[in-house]
Amino acid sequence: GIQVEQSPPDLILQEGANSTLRCNFSDSVNNLQWFHQNPWGQLINLFYIPSGTKQNGRLSATTVATERYSLLYISSSQTTDSGVYFCAVFSNQAGTALIFGKGTTLSVSS
Amino acid sequence: EADIYQTPRYLVIGTGKKITLECSQTMGHDKMYWYQQDPGMELHLIHYSYGVNSTEKGDLSSESTVSRIRTEHFPLTLESARPSHTSQYLCASRRGFNNEQFFGPGTRLTVL
Repeated sequence: GIQVEQSPPDLILQEGANSTLRCNFSDSVNNLQWFHQNPWGQLINLFYIPSGTKQNGRLSATTVATERYSLLYISSSQTTDSGVYFCAVFSNQAGTALIFGKGTTLSVSS
Repeated sequence: EADIYQTPRYLVIGTGKKITLECSQTMGHDKMYWYQQDPGMELHLIHYSYGVNSTEKGDLSSESTVSRIRTEHFPLTLESARPSHTSQYLCASRRGFNNEQFFGPGTRLTVL
């Protein structure tokens, strides 16, 4: 099946720093989403972005479907940005459901 | 804002008990999913449904069962809970395939 790889696995930042998280996938996809999992375990939808670029406040995302990767940018990071960031993809060819990467754990200290 | 609910949020039970984890959504989504996640780990699909009376097992083998009698309701049942079932269970839904998927808040299950 389709493989999803996220990097880096762990990231430690000082408040105010910028960061880039990467998601590589092994096949063409019809759907790509970025999620933030907060300390209580809830998955928060950040972006639905099968292609192109989107921005939402300090966060933005870009998916280059032809090269099979997506990037999540976090600018001016805050302590509340801490948590795990997941990339998940869906492929019509693979069927069923979103397939998740292992996540990037972000720790932002003040 | 997604309207998908899970109860209970936390559950601690003894070995051998039968439990049902509830999941409901008010968005009229046809596709519904159950994922299992151990702390700090990735999510694994354990069950999914494409609509009423449709249920399938996911990629991760699970001793749980599901039912889909109504569009909005997708409960998960464990007939006899064991410590190995201790995990977080996340319910999700979406309309069709190429649309955004939304998650409920999750149920943290601990089996003693």
